Amino acid sequence: QQQVKQSPQSLIVQKGGISIINCAYENTAFDYFPWYQQFPGKGPALLIAIRPDVSEKKEGRFTISFNKSAKQFSLHIMDSQPGDSATYFCAAGEGGGADGLTFGKGTHLIIQP
Amino acid sequence: DTEVTQTPKHLVMGMTNKKSLKCEQHMGHRAMYWYKQKAKKPPELMFVYSYEKLSINESVPSRFSPECPNSSLLNLHLHALQPEDSALYLCASSQRGPSTDTQYFGPGTRLTVL
Repeated sequence: QQQVKQSPQSLIVQKGGISIINCAYENTAFDYFPWYQQFPGKGPALLIAIRPDVSEKKEGRFTISFNKSAKQFSLHIMDSQPGDSATYFCAAGEGGGADGLTFGKGTHLIIQP
Repeated sequence: DTEVTQTPKHLVMGMTNKKSLKCEQHMGHRAMYWYKQKAKKPPELMFVYSYEKLSINESVPSRFSPECPNSSLLNLHLHALQPEDSALYLCASSQRGPSTDTQYFGPGTRLTVL
């Protein structure tokens, strides 16, 4: 059972555009929703995270939108840059993430110059 | 400093070998995690240690044996692995805070089983 569904699988965006990645979850016990960025040969790096009591969180060019009733959340990357080209994973966890994370399948993002 | 270190970076082993992966953090974190990541797939949780005690084992085969000697170190002992166990093994740590537990990942050990 896939508990966190992520789309699209791959995404090509022009430089300066907005990249949007969506995730949906099923487990209502999830209470922590981070996004990770991973470059080839590297470990995942935390980008931004949100709790369900907040509908939106912004950090620099990265924004998470959260819809608790729909059990969906999304990552928006504003002014996308070639250096943003990477694989992005959404994740979800219970207990604030303390018991480990369940990851979506990932989105391979390419920013074209 | 949010660094989690892992050694070795690469490991090649035969199916009859015994080897160990090592993970270290000096952030004072009290939770440590092992994840397995196959190529072009997401990380999958294997084990969780909380205050040096194993709290979660995600039905991982016994050929993988975790160990947490102290709050800064986490090992993963490998024995009689199969070729399908070839993957990137990621270690992570978190503070065990009152609200959220940001997990910081190491660079991983790339394991190849021949």
